[in-house]
Formats: sequence, C-alpha cells, structure tokens
Amino acid sequence: NAGVTQTPKFRVLKTGQSMTLLCAQDMNHEYMYWYRQDPGMGLRLIHYSVGEGTTAKGEVPDGYNVSRLKKQNFLLGLESAAPSQTSVYFCASSYGRHTQYFGPGTRLTVL
Amino acid sequence: QQQVKQSPQSLIVQKGGISIINCAYENTAFDYFPWYQQFPGKGPALLIAIRPDVSEKKEGRFTISFNKSAKQFSLHIMDSQPGDSATYFCAAGFIKAAGNKLTFGGGTRVLVKP
Repeated sequence: NAGVTQTPKFRVLKTGQSMTLLCAQDMNHEYMYWYRQDPGMGLRLIHYSVGEGTTAKGEVPDGYNVSRLKKQNFLLGLESAAPSQTSVYFCASSYGRHTQYFGPGTRLTVL
Repeated sequence: QQQVKQSPQSLIVQKGGISIINCAYENTAFDYFPWYQQFPGKGPALLIAIRPDVSEKKEGRFTISFNKSAKQFSLHIMDSQPGDSATYFCAAGFIKAAGNKLTFGGGTRVLVKP
C-alpha cells in the first residue's frame, strides 16, 4: 500500500494564479483532512471530509476550496494564490476516530 | 487563538538524557491527546496517545503524563538517541465527535547530540 500520497511535491506560483493539490489514499479511509504547516504554528486544519461528497471548514478555510468526489481522493484548490498561502500543505486520512495518517507534504511558494 | 500551547520550541539533549516537552490546553471537552513525530521532509506520524481517564501511558522509551486538573500533558523521551532528533507535536481532539478533528500545538524541535 502507498498510504497517503500528495501531488505535486513542490510548486511555485505567482500571486493571483490558481492551482489544485491532489491527495490520494488507498486505505479505504472515510475521513480526510488538509492542513497547512507554518513555523511555530504547528499544523492548522484547513478543510476536512467525513465521507465521499461531504466537506467541512476547519480552522483556516479562507482562500481555499476542497472537493471529495471519490472516497480515495481529496482535492485542495487555491483560486487566487496570495503570498500568505506560502506554506507546506499536508493531507491526512483516518478510519473513523482513530490515527490520522499523513502524506509527505507539498511545499508551495507564492511570489 | 491557540487552544493548545506547546513548550519549549526547541531543545537540545545529550545522548542518553531525558527530553521533556509540555503542552497545555484550554478546552476541557478534549478527550484525546496524541503526540506526533515528524522527521525533516516527511509527514507527521503518530507516536503515542492518551485518553484523560489515565494519568500516564508508556510505550518503550516514550511516556505521556497527563494532569487533567491542570489541563496539561507532557511527553518524556527517556534515554534519548540521535535517531529521536525530530519535531514533536502535541495535539488534542474529540474522539467521540464526527470528523476526529485535532488541534495541534506549535511543535518542538528536538536535537539529540551524540
């Protein structure tokens, strides 16, 4: 099993550009999450999903949108990137109320 | 507003020493307290977790101590090894709530010197 994979690993955007980050899991997990990691601030939840076709806002949802059209995939979109969105983005998944398994991360720089 | 405060931000310990990381939380409704370990360039991975009905949990060289009245919990790494050098995150969540959302502390970078 690959576990949780994220695409791409690195990306540089210009202010105002858009992009989509893809997260895929092969563990048949119901729950999926998107976090951003910034120095000294730990991991902050952006959006999450408790099942296919459902999404909900986390702690810092502004400027991001998500979709969960298939159980194994969770997409994070930035419609108009801003320098404040420069961060490392992690996707995670879990089976119900158990351990969250994290992907390797995507390092995004917005110029 | 950070609901989980973690300290210190970094610490250096000699091989064989004890590393201690502390966390304090505000929401008394939290009922699940995991610790995650993250190596450079990798995603975090669950290290150990505790529920508030126990005061201590030990797994190998890693021990969580939990003080419900003080709303604090800590991670002790005994006999620290260079391979333990990583960033450690405490977190708090609601295991009975749908979504199993976690609130993370700011992280502690641990360096174990040989």
